[in-house]
Amino acid sequence: DIQMTQSASSLSASVGDRVTITCQASQDIGTYLNWYQQKPGKAPKLLIYAASNLETGVPSRFSGSGSGTDFSFTISSLQPEDFAEYYCQQYDDLPPTFGGGTKVEMK
Amino acid sequence: EVKLVESGGGLVKTGGSLRLSCAASGFNFNIYNMNWVRQAPGKGLEWVSFISGGSTYIYYADSVKGRLTISRDNAQNSLYLQMNGLRAEDTAVYYCARDRVEYGGTPSQFDYWGQGTLVTVSS
Repeated sequence: DIQMTQSASSLSASVGDRVTITCQASQDIGTYLNWYQQKPGKAPKLLIYAASNLETGVPSRFSGSGSGTDFSFTISSLQPEDFAEYYCQQYDDLPPTFGGGTKVEMK
Repeated sequence: EVKLVESGGGLVKTGGSLRLSCAASGFNFNIYNMNWVRQAPGKGLEWVSFISGGSTYIYYADSVKGRLTISRDNAQNSLYLQMNGLRAEDTAVYYCARDRVEYGGTPSQFDYWGQGTLVTVSS
């Protein structure tokens, strides 16, 4: 299975901060990489697909980049509603696998 | 509006069975691939199973192979997960999730999710 490693399990930030989360794949996955946001008690929400494509309706402060094994997800200016957990997920190979998650907490 | 509503979760004894359902509405169900994804309490996300629109392609995580069976009824716009031989490690919220890519043969991007149904396996 392809292992997805998110650099931090949690990070603290303030409203207005630029936040970057990284995700590393254990092998080359091209750009077959998605990012999800999950709030407590809620289902995950797709934010970015194919590494850098913004899902319809998702604010433009969210962005993604990378290819191969190294990916990043950025919130350009953190808003109060962005405090949540974020997961990367690869779909280059079966089974699709998720990173362990990064919880963005209020500083 | 796309809507996915899971049901069928509950408390079951180790070794027992449960059947989860996911009622879909707001889109052409029979052309979309569907998935089950689970999340153990306080843990991350784990993909469980995939079924293509016409049920041609079906895949499972190794952890559930031989015990869980995915199926769908396109006439009823419904997705199912038959769970047999349940273990404590199957305790989780189970989500059904639509695959963003129509007609594909493998899981890809999960663009719509249900609210989840909790399965608790206890001795």
